[in-house]
Amino acid sequence: GESVGLHLPTLSVQEGDNSIINCAYSNSASDYFIWYKQESGKGPQFIIDIRSNMDKRQGQRVTVLLNKTVKHLSLQIAATQPGDSAVYFCADLPSGSARQLTFGSGTQLTVLP
Amino acid sequence: NAGVTQTPKFQVLKTGQSMTLQCAQDMNHEYMSWYRQDPGMGLRLIHYSVGAGITDQGEVPNGYNVSRSTTEDFPLRLLSAAPSQTSVYFCASRKLRADTQYFGPGTRLTVL
Repeated sequence: GESVGLHLPTLSVQEGDNSIINCAYSNSASDYFIWYKQESGKGPQFIIDIRSNMDKRQGQRVTVLLNKTVKHLSLQIAATQPGDSAVYFCADLPSGSARQLTFGSGTQLTVLP
Repeated sequence: NAGVTQTPKFQVLKTGQSMTLQCAQDMNHEYMSWYRQDPGMGLRLIHYSVGAGITDQGEVPNGYNVSRSTTEDFPLRLLSAAPSQTSVYFCASRKLRADTQYFGPGTRLTVL
């Protein structure tokens, strides 16, 4: 069936390095994608989103890249900080009337001192 | 704005007991939803509502009931709790014509 999945369940990076978290989606009807950050014991927090008419969107220290040809998106975090340690989820939203988010299982990002 | 609030934060039930998980938002969002989050899995949609008086089933609705009598509140009811319902429950909301959902802090439920 259609699903959104993440390539790696865990990612460890050195403080100050850049992080790249990847996500694959399979629903070709998806036209909106969103990244959430979830810290331990808290609810998912919106980071950044992108629509299918864009290839790249930048926020503060974060960039999302969308490759519709291979149905892949990534989240890049510049100069990773200890506070970035969390689980990161991608989710996609299909076009049409039944607009329900489908979530991936998440990637645990650990920032090493 | 308080955003999306949920109570209680933690709850332990015995099999067969009933309870209601509360969710409220003060952002005048028409759309509200309930998800459950289990280890190693993404968030799965239980029920959702596009406005007061309107509810619909999501991916995993069995064992749960919802109602939406006001725009602000969207309670989730477990009529007869089962161990399989042990999970973390998140409520979320958004404007109906927007796509970005905002989540509450979650309720951690254990059913013994």
